[in-house]
Amino acid sequence: DTEVTQTPKHLVMGMTNKKSLKCEQHMGHRAMYWYKQKAKKPPELMFVYSYEKLSINESVPSRFSPECPNSSLLNLHLHALQPEDSALYLCASSQDLNEKLFFGSGTQLSVL
Amino acid sequence: QKEVEQNSGPLSVPEGAIASLNCTYSDRGSQSFFWYRQYSGKSPELIMSIYSNGDKEDGRFTAQLNKASQYVSLLIRDSQPSDSATYLCAVKGNNRLAFGKGNQVVVIP
Repeated sequence: DTEVTQTPKHLVMGMTNKKSLKCEQHMGHRAMYWYKQKAKKPPELMFVYSYEKLSINESVPSRFSPECPNSSLLNLHLHALQPEDSALYLCASSQDLNEKLFFGSGTQLSVL
Repeated sequence: QKEVEQNSGPLSVPEGAIASLNCTYSDRGSQSFFWYRQYSGKSPELIMSIYSNGDKEDGRFTAQLNKASQYVSLLIRDSQPSDSATYLCAVKGNNRLAFGKGNQVVVIP
């Protein structure tokens, strides 16, 4: 069983909704990540939280906003999403930055 | 040149055969190399990591790294239907982790 817990597993939302994806890791890792993955494509990095610093992929639109309440939690707030944002959203953690990543089970997001 | 390149697929192998996957990378200073397995509709799972030239074996999996030629490969021995998945190569360099497009493997019973 994965020790990175993501909720919800599935989410359907309209373009005017606000929702949040939650991620918690129980391994004492020092880095956490959000990735977006489209079908038959590799994961694309959205955000990294490491050593109390948030790094943002500048290509990610502002309708996605991360929040890190503490070192074991990394949430992703969604607002006014577009249909092209439909994808599998993956949370991951690692002991050291960009080393062995452990992924959560993912959230399959559909934007209608 | 893409940062991390994997062979186009899918790769079909008979059950019990060896599946061989290759990955090349562009950053000569890359330090860490990973293989992830991803079943359809699921999240990636780390199956191998390798940091120095040579071979590293773990069960039926062997990772091979050649930094001079800038490639890393994954061998799956005695392939099983449960090995049918997409295999993602990931390379750490310049403090970034870059993923390849992935290679789909289909093991035919």
